[in-house]
Amino acid sequence: AQSVTQLDSQVPVFEEAPVELRCNYSSSVSVYLFWYVQYPNQGLQLLLKYLSGSTLVKGINGFEAEFNKSQTSFHLRKPSVHISDTAEYFCAVTQRQGAQKLVFGQGTRLTINP
Amino acid sequence: DSGVTQTPKHLITATGQRVTLRCSPRSGDLSVYWYQQSLDQGLQFLIQYYNGEERAKGNILERFSAQQFPDLHSELNLSSLELGDSALYFCASSVGGSGGYNEQFFGPGTRLTVL
Repeated sequence: AQSVTQLDSQVPVFEEAPVELRCNYSSSVSVYLFWYVQYPNQGLQLLLKYLSGSTLVKGINGFEAEFNKSQTSFHLRKPSVHISDTAEYFCAVTQRQGAQKLVFGQGTRLTINP
Repeated sequence: DSGVTQTPKHLITATGQRVTLRCSPRSGDLSVYWYQQSLDQGLQFLIQYYNGEERAKGNILERFSAQQFPDLHSELNLSSLELGDSALYFCASSVGGSGGYNEQFFGPGTRLTVL
């Protein structure tokens, strides 16, 4: 079984400041890792994914994440945020073999202040 | 727009009632997944269908059932509704069903309110 822990439920930052949203996971099998974004009153959109290879992955809207196997972490970063980045962010994992149900963290609400 | 459609967008009903949520996957996708997003439980996987067959089951209540039809659309049936069933229900679709990576594309969701 897999589990995902997002260490911060809310993160307020000022516009143009850097941000890091933290995610740790637990799994007895190999997994794929994801970050999804949910804008107000909308569905989930894939920001980025780690499947294999380079541990630094780049996604849409200037976001990137780093996979750290030894620390079982997959933190999301952006060097300079914009008001439009205000949203809820979800870290998720799915096992590499078998049914690919997504297991989500509880979400981090990112609020950008002008 | 992900290409996944869900109807209705909003649903308000009373306790004890039964409702049906509908999902049409992206063209060419054979898998459909259902997820529930609630304030207390967060985002949870309910069930997956692949080409008409149930592929995986999560924490889905016995009062809930789903099916995938020959045209690949799926319906999630919720019966004997309780206040705690109020949530946002998402459908997602992917090309494959298991093994290897299959990106899931999410619909806009159906917001269910049970009064």
